[in-house]
Formats: sequence, C-alpha cells, structure tokens
Amino acid sequence: SYDLTQPPSVSVSPGQTASIICSGIKLGDKYASWYQQQPGQSPVLVIYQDNKRPSGIPERFSGSNSGNTATLTISGTQAMDEADYYCQTWDSTTGHEELVVFGGGTKLTVL
Amino acid sequence: EVQLEQSGAEVKKPGESLRISCKASGYTFTNYWIGWVRQRPGKGLEWMGIIFPGDSDTRYSPSFQGQVTISADKSINTAYLQWHSLKASDTAVYYCARRVTLFGAANTKIYYFDYWGQGTLVTVSS
Repeated sequence: SYDLTQPPSVSVSPGQTASIICSGIKLGDKYASWYQQQPGQSPVLVIYQDNKRPSGIPERFSGSNSGNTATLTISGTQAMDEADYYCQTWDSTTGHEELVVFGGGTKLTVL
Repeated sequence: EVQLEQSGAEVKKPGESLRISCKASGYTFTNYWIGWVRQRPGKGLEWMGIIFPGDSDTRYSPSFQGQVTISADKSINTAYLQWHSLKASDTAVYYCARRVTLFGAANTKIYYFDYWGQGTLVTVSS
C-alpha cells in the first residue's frame, strides 16, 4: 500500500511562514490535496491539484509538490490557522486507482 | 449551495447493526462519487470507501472491505454506510464527502474531496 508521512506537529509564530511537509514515494508524480480541520469541525479543503486554492481560501495558503514531497505553506500565519492539516493523494500502484490515501496529519500550533 | 447532511449521533451495543446516512443537495447527485471517512477519537482521517450513485459502483479500502457496506439511493439523493455487527473499535466520527475528479498532465487523474458532511458520531459500548 502507499503511505504518506507527515510530521506530528509544527509550531510557528504569528505572522511567520509555516511549512508542513508530506512525504511519499514519487509523490510528485501524483497530485496532492490538503485539508484543514479545526477542533470539533469537519475537514475543509484548502489546496487541491498540488497548488490550487478553492474559492474562499485565503491567498496565504499555497502548495507545491515535487519529487517525494508535497508542501503546504501558510504565509503570514494567523491564530485562526491553528488546526490539524492532512495531505491526501491516491494509490494507483496496484491498479486500484480509486484507493484514497491520507497522511497522518500535522497539528499546527501558532504561538 | 452544495450540502451533505448526515444523520445524527448513534449509541449502540457491540454486535448490533447500524446504518447512517448522508443526504446530498445542491448538485446532481449521480454525477459525483461520495466517499466515507473514519476518524477515531484523537486520531487522523482514514478513507473507508467510495460509491458512484449513478450506477452504484463501489470501491473499498482493503482495511474496511468486508467490515462495512456502502450503498446509495439515487431516488432520494442519499448515500449510506452500514455495519452488520458493530465492535467497540468502530467508535468514531464518520464523515461523508463529495469527490471531484479532474484530469491533469498526461491525463493523470486528480481526486479530491471538496464538500464534507458535518460528521456522525457512532459510539459502541456495552
């Protein structure tokens, strides 16, 4: 099966840039999405297709994907960005293109 | 406005059966796959499976194959997640989510979940 690895936690000071990485074998050959989950809330899509923002997502959220690593970058991090973040792609190595894969999640702390 | 409205919280005993629902509105239900995601207390997101309501084509994560049944009733725009015999380890919040499919470079498929339900808490305890 295909695995995505994220650091359990990342800390950032308000106004600074936070980077959350997601690692997987040849992840750059796939497309990555990112979800934000506030405590007690449903996940919200913040990045899709590696670097595209859905309508309503602030410009400070950006993404990239190359090699074995996808990165979610939050510029000018705000207190409201404190949340869990999950990367997502899919597993096609066995021919089952429909197998969705989530990373383990990263808790972003703004302090 | 796209909405996925899930059924309410459930409290069940081990061995009991259960079906939870996800009612879609604001878009053509039969044009998008609907997925189910589990989140155990304090843990991450786990993809369980997905269904295409247009023809009920269903795929399961190997971890959940045989453990749950995913179905849909396109006449009422509703997807379902069902257990025949619950275990304490099934205690979790379950989310439904709409999956978008795009095509990128070299016709590579792009999948992501753009709308999520509010979640259904299932508690299994004796």
